[in-house]
Amino acid sequence: AQSVAQPEDQVNVAEGNPLTVKCTYSVSGNPYLFWYVQYPNRGLQFLLKYITGDNLVKGSYGFEAEFNKSQTSFHLKKPSALVSDSALYFCAVRDTGGFKTIFGAGTRLFVKA
Amino acid sequence: DAGVIQSPRHEVTEMGQEVTLRCKPISGHDYLFWYRQTMMRGLELLIYFNNNVPIDDSGMPEDRFSAKMPNASFSTLKIQPSEPRDSAVYFCASSGGLAKNIQYFGAGTRLSVL
Repeated sequence: AQSVAQPEDQVNVAEGNPLTVKCTYSVSGNPYLFWYVQYPNRGLQFLLKYITGDNLVKGSYGFEAEFNKSQTSFHLKKPSALVSDSALYFCAVRDTGGFKTIFGAGTRLFVKA
Repeated sequence: DAGVIQSPRHEVTEMGQEVTLRCKPISGHDYLFWYRQTMMRGLELLIYFNNNVPIDDSGMPEDRFSAKMPNASFSTLKIQPSEPRDSAVYFCASSGGLAKNIQYFGAGTRLSVL
């Protein structure tokens, strides 16, 4: 069965500093990996995905994520955080056998001015 | 496109009442997903459809929950009878076409069962 873990409930970072939000996964076969962001009282919005190809994936709003197969990780990163990046971030995984997507518990990111 | 449209945005009902949540997916999308979000359990997939056919309903909590997709532009999630533990935010999402791997979420329906 597929699963995804986000080990941090909350990440705090100062504006202008780099940020990392961690994600590890478990799936049989090759994974499809995703990051979504949720702002208050809104639905989730897609940020980026890894399907195949380069391990470093670039997405919306300056975010990127690195796929590491040996560590089964897909950490979300941004070189310079903005206050407006403060939100709830979800990592998600699905295997190639279907479209059932499993979401992590979410990590709340606080960026302080 | 207006995106995925869910109605109502908020629903307050009493225990035992029937609740129907509605979703209009993005035109041209052939996958539709229903999720439930709570503080305790996070975001859970309840059911998803492909071309109006339910593919995986293993996340539907019990027989009180049912979902239908009578056509490509409309889906409902019904709870009958509702219970206080059903209180949550219910999201609908759709995907398809060139963006079949990306799910587009509606704004959600916040359900409170008293």
